[in-house]
Amino acid sequence: GVTQSPTHLIKTRGQQVTLRCSSQSGHNTVSWYQQALGQGPQFIFQYYRKEENGRGNFPPRFSGLQFPNDSSELNVNALELDDSALYLCASSLSGLGANVLTFGAGSRLTVL
Amino acid sequence: GENVEQHPSTLSVQEGDSAVIKCTYSDSASNYFPWYKQELGKGPQLIIDIRSNVGEKKDQRIAVTLNKTAKHFSLHITETQPEDSAVYFCAASDSGGGADGLTFGKGTHLIIQP
Repeated sequence: GVTQSPTHLIKTRGQQVTLRCSSQSGHNTVSWYQQALGQGPQFIFQYYRKEENGRGNFPPRFSGLQFPNDSSELNVNALELDDSALYLCASSLSGLGANVLTFGAGSRLTVL
Repeated sequence: GENVEQHPSTLSVQEGDSAVIKCTYSDSASNYFPWYKQELGKGPQLIIDIRSNVGEKKDQRIAVTLNKTAKHFSLHITETQPEDSAVYFCAASDSGGGADGLTFGKGTHLIIQP
């Protein structure tokens, strides 16, 4: 399946955070979603072949990386209080299957 | 962009009864409609999906129907069991390649009463 680390972390406003994800074996596309408490997940961006090929309504301080082994990172700079949320990584296969997502359990970020 | 509305926000049914969750979407170009189940402390898990070229799909106790004209789709769970208790999300996408991501509804908390 998809594994994410860390599971929980606390940061202060203005700091930077890096979240990590290991995709399901055989998947080559990774997407990141933000899920605020009591809400549905919101699309941040998608990576395929190490390139960002789609982004939701999130500012540039949200950035990502995809590595040759299809693991990935989500980086958030200049943290704001509203960034407190569950961050979900999802992997999939490119093409028509790119939306058939397998999610990890998420990293819960608290910004104080 | 796409907007997905989901109702109800909370649904309580007796064990063994049926549950129906409804969603509407705004973008007529949307062509992929998955449903996810999220249990406490876990990520969303895909339970069933439907593409715009079919009107209904069934998998054991779970079925999804799609009305493209009205732009709405529904999840039906029959013979509900305690393990069906969870938050359910509908979603829609107009991108076959996934580059625009999924747009999710706000979720339905399904409670199965013993």
